[in-house]
Amino acid sequence: AQSVTQLDSHVSVSEGTPVLLRCNYSSSYSPSLFWYVQHPNKGLQLLLKYTSAATLVKGINGFEAEFKKSETSFHLTKPSAHMSDAAEYFCVVSDTGGFKTIFGAGTRLFVKA
Amino acid sequence: SQTIHQWPATLVQPVGSPLSLECTVEGTSNPNLYWYRQAAGRGLQLLFYSVGIGQISSEVPQNLSASRPQDRQFILSSKKLLLSDSGFYLCAWSVFLAGSYNEQFFGPGTRLTVL
Repeated sequence: AQSVTQLDSHVSVSEGTPVLLRCNYSSSYSPSLFWYVQHPNKGLQLLLKYTSAATLVKGINGFEAEFKKSETSFHLTKPSAHMSDAAEYFCVVSDTGGFKTIFGAGTRLFVKA
Repeated sequence: SQTIHQWPATLVQPVGSPLSLECTVEGTSNPNLYWYRQAAGRGLQLLFYSVGIGQISSEVPQNLSASRPQDRQFILSSKKLLLSDSGFYLCAWSVFLAGSYNEQFFGPGTRLTVL
């Protein structure tokens, strides 16, 4: 069975400081992992995906995530937060080639000026 | 390029009224299609998914139904809305390929308020 846990429901950072959004997963199979971002009243946009080719995955808008199998983690980071990064972020696990995906509960990121 | 459309963007309906939300995808063939609901302050709940015309799988028992009358059209319906049906409804698509990663692409969503 698959599951995904986002360890923080809310994260607040100051503009220009690093961002860390934490995600742990469990999967019986070799998982596919994703991060999505959702701005208020909008659909979800794919930030990045883990493809097993590289454990450090670079995405859009300066975000990246590192797959750590030993820790079953896929944390999302960004070196310097921007005001436009304020949004909700979802960590997602899926069986490779499967139909079903499991979404984390989401982490709301606040960015202070 | 592929695009996904949802309408309406917002909807206010009385309790007991019917519902029809539509989702269409352009630029791809035989996509997997999904309906999610996002309640206020909560994550996404998968409601239905479809791997082909007329093939619908329901994830949770509920007051809603889904249909796929055409390859790239996915409809979410209800005969009688409940207050608990309020939420943000998202349609998504993906393409099933051997070895693919099942990344999903989301529509803009429909905000449904049941009064």
